[in-house]
Formats: sequence, C-alpha cells, structure tokens
Amino acid sequence: RKEVEQDPGPFNVPEGATVAFNCTYSNSASQSFFWYRQDCRKEPKLLMSVYSSGNEDGRFTAQLNRASQYISLLIRDSKLSDSATYLCVVNEGYSTLTFGKGTMLLVSP
Amino acid sequence: DTGVSQDPRHKITKRGQNVTFRCDPISEHNRLYWYRQTLGQGPEFLTYFQNEAQLEKSRLLSDRFSAERPKGSFSTLEIQRTEQGDSAMYLCASSLLGSNSPLHFGNGTRLTVT
Repeated sequence: RKEVEQDPGPFNVPEGATVAFNCTYSNSASQSFFWYRQDCRKEPKLLMSVYSSGNEDGRFTAQLNRASQYISLLIRDSKLSDSATYLCVVNEGYSTLTFGKGTMLLVSP
Repeated sequence: DTGVSQDPRHKITKRGQNVTFRCDPISEHNRLYWYRQTLGQGPEFLTYFQNEAQLEKSRLLSDRFSAERPKGSFSTLEIQRTEQGDSAMYLCASSLLGSNSPLHFGNGTRLTVT
C-alpha cells in the first residue's frame, strides 16, 4: 500500500485567518479523497469529500490535483472551534481508506 | 442514535490477557472496518468485512488478532496474549458499498495494556 503524506504542523493562526493544508499521495490509481477532522481523543469525523472539480462547504474549500497527486483544504475566517487535527484520506481502489498522520491546527484568539 | 457504537469505551488489561471488543455498525452499511490509532499517528487499517466476509487483512494484524462478523451485522475484534505494544485506540467504522463512500467511525475503544 502506498503512502499519504501530510505536514504534521502545528499550524498556529489567529482567529479570522485563512489557512491551507496540502496532502500528497503516491498511488496514481487513487480514486476518491476525503478530509476528516479529529478532535483530541475523539474519533475522526468526515469533514468533506474532495471532488475532481473542487468543492466548497461554507468556509471550507477542497481541491484535487491529480497531475501533481495532491489534495488541499482551505479554511477561511478561522474560528477557535476549528482547532483540531485534519486528516487526509485516500481510497486507493482497494476498498480500504488510507489515512495520513494528520495536520494539527491551533486557532488562537 | 443510529451511528456506529463500540463497546467498551475503555479497557485496561494486564499483559498476557485476552480482550475482546465489539462494534455495531450503522444498520444499512455493508462494510465494516477496524483501524488502530496511536498518539500522533493517523488511523492504521487492520481489516475489513463486506457483509460477513473478511476481505482484507493488514500485515499489522498478527496471529494474536482475530476479527469476526458472523451474521454480517456486529463485529468483534479479539486480541490474545496482549502486549504493551497493543495499547492504542481501536476504531471501528462502517460504510456503504462504493469507493466514494466515506467511513463513519464509532467512538473507539481505548486499550491500555499494563
């Protein structure tokens, strides 16, 4: 199984800032992509799927670049409640999802 | 609550003992997954079932680990002769069929082996 790489951070940003995370994947046959959010000592929760054309959900925008094999997550107008670890997830076509190690975001007042 | 449920939430056991965890998936989900997560790491795949069939097992799943899903509904994960290195959060997730179907996780079972 191939790898999913993320910058572990932490990313320290003030409230209201815009922050972006990238995630690279090594298997060009990967078929579907997701961003999950995980709070400390809690289970991962789906934040959003990532579609080929890019997609937006409120303050969150996800992009996929198949040529360069990376996906990105942009968070606008950061809130204190956005502080969490963001996990990049890739389905390589084996019916199992491979998780990155996560990027920690800390939003401060 | 119709989400994924796991039991117990926490388990403390002594090295060498056997432990068993249970997972009840979302009822209409065909697929059930077990992952393990340690501090600072993302979830690592252990095994998954489609209905009652165990279709894939990770190399992380040593001979001491066994998982079942006898009727295609709930699943159990048993660890025999636990070792300190087994201490982790064990996460169960379920999904519908299809590569675009996301996983829905339970709260996890936190295992501590002393």
